Amino acid sequence: DQQVKQNSPSLSVQEGRISILNCDYTNSMFDYFLWYKKYPAEGPTFLISISSIKDKNEDGRFTVFLNKSAKHLSLHIVPSQPGDSAVYFCPGGQNFVFGPGTRLSVLP
Amino acid sequence: EAGVVQSPRYKIIEKKQPVAFWCNPISGHNTLYWYLQNLGQGPELLIRYENEEAVDDSQLPKDRFSAERLKGVDSTLKIQPAELGDSAVYLCASSLTTAGQYTGELFFGEGSRLTVL
Repeated sequence: DQQVKQNSPSLSVQEGRISILNCDYTNSMFDYFLWYKKYPAEGPTFLISISSIKDKNEDGRFTVFLNKSAKHLSLHIVPSQPGDSAVYFCPGGQNFVFGPGTRLSVLP
Repeated sequence: EAGVVQSPRYKIIEKKQPVAFWCNPISGHNTLYWYLQNLGQGPELLIRYENEEAVDDSQLPKDRFSAERLKGVDSTLKIQPAELGDSAVYLCASSLTTAGQYTGELFFGEGSRLTVL
């Protein structure tokens, strides 16, 4: 039973354009979400978080949106840069349950 | 400030051999996690500690895997005996939790890549 779903295994975006990464979760008890990116041979690194009392959190080029009623989370990166190319995860809940990840490729 | 430190980074063993991984979390972080990550998949939780107590080990295959966190700081994860399917990256992470509520993000180590031949 996947508690966190990332239905797009990969996404390609042109440099300078917006990247939109999506997550759906099934556990309504999740009240805290984070976005991580992971480069090969490295551990995941933190990008941005959001708690369920908010519907938006912004940090520089990264904005996370939470639609609690739809159990949907999205990450917007604008403008996208080639260095953003990585696998992105959206763990949630007390045990930080991870989905399968979405591989973002930003093309120069 | 030092991050989460894991060792070894890489380990190659033959099946049926034992193997152990070590993790030193960020100083002051009371919660420690061990995850397993297979190629092309997201990290899967094996065990979560709050201080020295394992508060969730439901996903730990206890017939061959064991973990300990003595004194609530460093932790070791052991596999004995290793099987071919155990080849994966083992990630350790730590965070600060207060009264059961997380107060920040999860910090990961670089992982220990295990290859079982």
